[in-house]
Order: sequence, then structure tokens, then C-alpha cells
Amino acid sequence: AQTVTQSQPEMSVQEAETVTLSCTYDTSESDYYLFWYKQPPSRQMILVIRQEAYKQQNATENRFSVNFQKAAKSFSLKISDSQLGDAAMYFCAYSVVYGQNFVFGPGTRLSVLP
Amino acid sequence: DAGVTQSPTHLIKTRGQQVTLRCSPKSGHDTVSWYQQALGQGPQFIFQYYEEEERQRGNFPDRFSGHQFPNYSSELNVNALLLGDSALYLCASSFGTSPYEQYFGPGTRLTVT
Repeated sequence: AQTVTQSQPEMSVQEAETVTLSCTYDTSESDYYLFWYKQPPSRQMILVIRQEAYKQQNATENRFSVNFQKAAKSFSLKISDSQLGDAAMYFCAYSVVYGQNFVFGPGTRLSVLP
Repeated sequence: DAGVTQSPTHLIKTRGQQVTLRCSPKSGHDTVSWYQQALGQGPQFIFQYYEEEERQRGNFPDRFSGHQFPNYSSELNVNALLLGDSALYLCASSFGTSPYEQYFGPGTRLTVT
């Protein structure tokens, strides 16, 4: 069975600094998707960034980028120029290509300090 | 363009009762998935509906059932509620069964007393 692990229950970062959130996963599939979702106190799950496993190039969305290491089954999220609005729970998630039974990690709570 | 909507926002039920939660997908989407998120944990997949049929199911008992209507909206039903069913229930929608463009609703907070 696929599993997703986030080893950092809590992280904090100074405003304008850079922080990296870790995620590892386990799968026997060769093609799959990986996602980072943000869940603020409003509870709405917001997609931050996604990566297709067949793509070697790391995904980037503005201040958010990933370091995807397929062989190591690692998918870390880097947030640059952190802003107060980035404070939230961050979930790493895995999905097979066809299907929506996402497997989520336990989450990392990110605090941004002014 | 309305996103994914869920109702009600909050719900309090008593152990043993039954509950129905509702979800309307984002415009243009035809697939709905349901997730249970216990406090302090990541969401867990319950099931997915596409073309009015349950297509995939996670590790949840038969007390959890669902339905999808011709307009693609969906209901989640939970029978014989247990205290452990207290959680945030999230609905997500997409076009087709690919997870690549999946959008989540704001959730329904269910409390079982």
C-alpha cells in the first residue's frame, strides 16, 4: 500500500526567509502524481503545487518549488520569501494516475514569524 | 464560477443516528470524491463517484454510503454514528477520474456526541 510520511509535525520561519518542508512516500508504481496542499484555519484545501512523476524537471509556482527525487521517493516543498499568509497546515499527497484515492501525509504545521 | 460547495457547514449528531452530507461539484466537473479528516490528521479517502456509480472505495465500513445524482452532485450517508466518526468531511471534484485537477470544498464539520 502507498504511504506518505511527513517527518516534521511543526516548522517555523521568519517572514521573508526560506523554508523547506519534507515528504517521503512509498509506492511500487512507476507513474503517479504528487501534490502539496495548504489548509489554513478556514479548512479549505488549496492546491499549492503538483508534480507528475514522469517529469524530471521540478515544478515551480511563483514562490513555491519542489525538489523531486524519484529514486529516493522524496518530494520536498520550498517556500521562498515567506509571507504571513503562508501560515497553515501543509499536506503532501500521492495519487495514482487514474483514480482519486489520494493518500495524504499527516501534515506539517507552518508558522510564519513577523 | 462557483467552486465546490458543501452543506451543512457544521452538524451535531448523537451516537447511533444517521447523517447525510451534501456536495455540489465545481461547474464542469463530473466526478466527486469524499474524504474524512480527523482532528490533527491528513484526510483519508472514503470513496469516489463517477457516472452515478461508486468507482473506488477506501478502507471504510459499509456504514458509509453515497450517491451521485444526474446533475453530478453527491451525498455522503453515515449510519449508526460512532463517536469516532467525528471529523471534517471534505468533498472534492474533478472532470473525469484523473486527480490532476481536483478541487476541494470547505468541508462539513460533524460532531458526534
